[in-house]
Amino acid sequence: NAGVTQTPKFQVLKTGQSMTLQCAQDMNHNSMYWYRQDPGMGLRLIYYSASEGTTDKGEVPNGYNVSRLNKREFSLRLESAAPSQTSVYFCASSPSYVSRADTQYFGPGTRLTVL
Amino acid sequence: GDSVTQMEGPVTLSEEAFLTINCTYTATGYPSLFWYVQYPGEGLQLLLKATKADDKGSNKGFEATYRKETTSFHLEKGSVQVSDSAVYFCALSGTYNNNDMRFGAGTRLTVKP
Repeated sequence: NAGVTQTPKFQVLKTGQSMTLQCAQDMNHNSMYWYRQDPGMGLRLIYYSASEGTTDKGEVPNGYNVSRLNKREFSLRLESAAPSQTSVYFCASSPSYVSRADTQYFGPGTRLTVL
Repeated sequence: GDSVTQMEGPVTLSEEAFLTINCTYTATGYPSLFWYVQYPGEGLQLLLKATKADDKGSNKGFEATYRKETTSFHLEKGSVQVSDSAVYFCALSGTYNNNDMRFGAGTRLTVKP
């Protein structure tokens, strides 16, 4: 049982390049999330998906797109990377469709640097 | 909007010292409250949670009580160990029964032998 996995672990991009961060969970969870973690700011929600086929914007969605490919996988795409997107990105999942009491389970993170 | 404020770090303690990390929140509904812990190089993992007022969450010697009257959820441990060194995040979730979780900035704890 791997939990939540993310690829890649590290990535360096040049300004304007594109890339997709991959996330998969094997816990049969309904909801999945993408966060970014910046120093002194905690985690901020980029997008979330309450179920397969649905996605919703979080606190900081600009510059990102997401795809809920199936129940297991939720990808995050940067179409034209900017230095302001240098951050650590975390994927998470939780069991329910919509539940304020749900625990979220986090992947190990992707450290992205945009030059 | 909903938000969480937690005490700034870093916090450095000696082994067996008492730990308190303060957390207060602002919310318009009835959130659930969480403490997550992040060990070096890892993702966050749940430490404890409380879903309604006066609930106490506890795990691994840590505890926190959901205080609606003071809008607080302070984390405490009676005797810290070197292995407790990590970053601790207070978070709230779903005042409108949705999935939107808001995190505090995190408090880095270092415990020295």
